Amino acid sequence: KNQVEQSPQSLIILEGKNCTLQCNYTVSPFSNLRWYKQDTGRGPVSLTIMTFSENTKSNGRYTATLDADTKQSSLHITASQLSDSASYICVPGGDYGQNFVFGPGTRLSVLP
Amino acid sequence: DTGVSQDPRHKITKRGQNVTFRCDPISEHNRLYWYRQTLGQGPEFLTYFQNEAQLEKSRLLSDRFSAERPKGSFSTLEIQRTEQGDSAMYLCASSARQGVYTEAFFGQGTRLTVV
Repeated sequence: KNQVEQSPQSLIILEGKNCTLQCNYTVSPFSNLRWYKQDTGRGPVSLTIMTFSENTKSNGRYTATLDADTKQSSLHITASQLSDSASYICVPGGDYGQNFVFGPGTRLSVLP
Repeated sequence: DTGVSQDPRHKITKRGQNVTFRCDPISEHNRLYWYRQTLGQGPEFLTYFQNEAQLEKSRLLSDRFSAERPKGSFSTLEIQRTEQGDSAMYLCASSARQGVYTEAFFGQGTRLTVV
């Protein structure tokens, strides 16, 4: 059964601080892993996409890592901003259909 | 704005009523997806279309749910005899083609509340 676990469930940090979000997954077939940012009441927006052969991918202050052997990924946010307050969702899988499994997300709150 | 639009943004309906949502994808995208998201959870796959063909349906899509994509452009998702458990955000996404780097763009969703 496909499973995606994210930790922590929620996180509060001060503006300017760094943080790391974790994702553990058991998904088959697996060819890539995405991280999405979802603001409250909005649709998800893609941050990074990594294939199973990639170990890291950056997008500005966001850096994702992937260890396909241990089935773990992380998203590191550097120098957090108030606008980073959102849910961050890990999505391992294949294509966007049945095999594209969204995690439950980590709710990040950045306080001034 | 991702270019995918959904209408309405919010819908409140009484239990037992039928509702229909519309999604307009990015015009050159041939793939269109519907997802459902409940509070505190990630989106769950419902169905997807390639052009006008409905290629996959989740078992979450009961016989009260029907989706169409006539002419391979916009899509509608209809829920008949709504139940309180249908209350959720319904998300539509579109993409150009299959591939590990294929980007899907999501609309802002339709929030359904069944009272």
